[in-house]
Amino acid sequence: SQQGEEDPQALSIQEGENATMNCSYKTSINNLQWYRQNSGRGLVHLILIRSNEREKHSGRLRVTLDTSKKSSSLLITASRAADTASYFCATDARQAGTALIFGKGTTLSVSS
Amino acid sequence: NAGVMQNPRHLVRRRGQEARLRCSPMKGHSHVYWYRQLPEEGLKFMVYLQKENIIDESGMPKERFSAEFPKEGPSILRIQQVVRGDSAAYFCASSAGTGAYGYTFGSGTRLTVV
Repeated sequence: SQQGEEDPQALSIQEGENATMNCSYKTSINNLQWYRQNSGRGLVHLILIRSNEREKHSGRLRVTLDTSKKSSSLLITASRAADTASYFCATDARQAGTALIFGKGTTLSVSS
Repeated sequence: NAGVMQNPRHLVRRRGQEARLRCSPMKGHSHVYWYRQLPEEGLKFMVYLQKENIIDESGMPKERFSAEFPKEGPSILRIQQVVRGDSAAYFCASSAGTGAYGYTFGSGTRLTVV
């Protein structure tokens, strides 16, 4: 079953605008990760936020985590056409020996 | 550092044949994961392996599918007697450990069953 659900399913913006994607999950987690997938390619790890962290930055990426609401958001600032891709959140459940569970993703289109 | 290597990139099989998908993890990574992705969908977890051990196969169909990660050589995902519904992209990922480790993904194997 899917642990994370991203919202919106699809997002279209202009270059230079900010893009915000949200992720909700169901069970307690150790950490939450965001990945990016360009069409037809493998996923690329973007950022990891631990359950005891509230916010993390990496370049133009900002991730927040609210464990009380079981939700996370990924903000991409000053978007570029090259940011066009699908973005997935993945959660690492507290149970030992479990693999990351991925959501269905948000498809971001950035037009120039 | 070659990253995670998957082969073949594309695989076409007739119904009833066997499909073997290979994955060599990133150097230094001993944890391997297989995921399946259908068009316009997210990744569905299939199986998690360490060297010579299956840790979690809860996402793997009970019949026709098997996976191994031998002491020497790549991890293999094997699908016997393939059916059209097995057509998908199969991704392998590896990590250095569990917990706060990101996964490194391969480019995937696109299986088409005709």
